[in-house]
Amino acid sequence: NAGVTQTPKFQVLKTGQSMTLQCAQDMNHEYMSWYRQDPGMGLRLIHYSVGAGITDQGEVPNGYNVSRSTTEDFPLRLLSAAPSQTSVYFCASSLTSPNTQYFGPGTRLTVL
Amino acid sequence: EDKVVQSPLSLVVHEGDTVTLNCSYEVTNFRSLLWYKQEKKAPTFLFMLTSSGIEKKSGRLSSILDKKELFSILNITATQTGDSAVYLCAVEADRGSTLGRLYFGRGTQLTVWP
Repeated sequence: NAGVTQTPKFQVLKTGQSMTLQCAQDMNHEYMSWYRQDPGMGLRLIHYSVGAGITDQGEVPNGYNVSRSTTEDFPLRLLSAAPSQTSVYFCASSLTSPNTQYFGPGTRLTVL
Repeated sequence: EDKVVQSPLSLVVHEGDTVTLNCSYEVTNFRSLLWYKQEKKAPTFLFMLTSSGIEKKSGRLSSILDKKELFSILNITATQTGDSAVYLCAVEADRGSTLGRLYFGRGTQLTVWP
């Protein structure tokens, strides 16, 4: 098993650009989530999904879109990047409950 | 509004010291409390606590939950430089009929000097 994979590892965007952060898992996990982590802060939930076709908002969803067309993939889309979205993004997955999540290695995003 | 509050935010000790990290929470529909260690990369799981008063141990680390007073502590005895990390506390709460979600605290930055 590759576990939870995220691409890219690093990304620099200009304000207004769009991009998609990729997240994939090969463990047949139903529960997947996206977090952002800013300096001195814990992880804040952006969006999560409890299965293919089902997503819900977390604490900080504004500026981000998600979809879950397959069990394996849970991409995070930034439609118009802003400097406030500069952060480290972690994807995580678990079989059913978030209390057994496996975290991906993270994507460091800088928006200029 | 913070639902999970960790203290202290930063702690510097010398090798061999014992440290206690605190986590208090205020969430409805509590399911579990989790501790993670984060060393410049993704968080790694340490403990999951669901019942009050039952200590969980792993080597020099131990943790306990008090569901009446709504807090947990993480103890590290005989600290080593390899314990230097951010320790995150997270609380899982149900959302009615849907599966739960995690609320994280800001973390405690522990630095252990040789």
